[in-house]
Amino acid sequence: GQQVMQIPQYQHVQEGEDFTTYCNSSTTLSNIQWYKQRPGGHPVFLIQLVKSGEVKKQKRLTFQFGEAKKNSSLHITATQTTDVGTYFCATDRYGNKLVFGAGTILRVKS
Amino acid sequence: EPEVTQTPSHQVTQMGQEVILRCVPISNHLYFYWYRQILGQKVEFLVSFYNNEISEKSEIFDDQFSVERPDGSNFTLKIRSTKLEDSAMYFCASSEAGGPSSYEQYFGPGTRLTVT
Repeated sequence: GQQVMQIPQYQHVQEGEDFTTYCNSSTTLSNIQWYKQRPGGHPVFLIQLVKSGEVKKQKRLTFQFGEAKKNSSLHITATQTTDVGTYFCATDRYGNKLVFGAGTILRVKS
Repeated sequence: EPEVTQTPSHQVTQMGQEVILRCVPISNHLYFYWYRQILGQKVEFLVSFYNNEISEKSEIFDDQFSVERPDGSNFTLKIRSTKLEDSAMYFCASSEAGGPSSYEQYFGPGTRLTVT
């Protein structure tokens, strides 16, 4: 079945530093979604990318979908303590089943 | 803002017992899902449900699991004979639509199931 690999597993940054998590697949993806899960919380949808080479921004967050639609990244500029949590990429097939990456745990030191 | 709700927030049960986890999806949503997350691990798909039937299920969703939409608002996950390895957080989710177009899935707060 479709799988997405996500790295790094864990990142600890100083507040104000940037953060990036990467998601890769061996097969072409129809879409990529990004979710954030705060400690003890539930996944919350951030964004969906569907087009080759697509780039979307949400304030300090920049999301990219690769030209071949096999990889994606989430970049956070100037992290804040409110950014802590686990960031998951996910992809679905026909809207019926989300396959999640392993997630990247972000910790921010203030 | 409308949200998915789940009850109970925490369920403790003995191995071999049956449990029913309850969810109320967002009212105008048509697709419903169950996922689970073992502590510290990734979120895993269990089952999707549309038009009163299962549309897709994973290999985890074996004969001990079943889902039901008993009325117009509730969506339940039943685990017939719980095992220790069923201990996890179970998330319900719903989306406005599905099919070939992908839609944002809204997750509930989860039910933590502990099997002893």
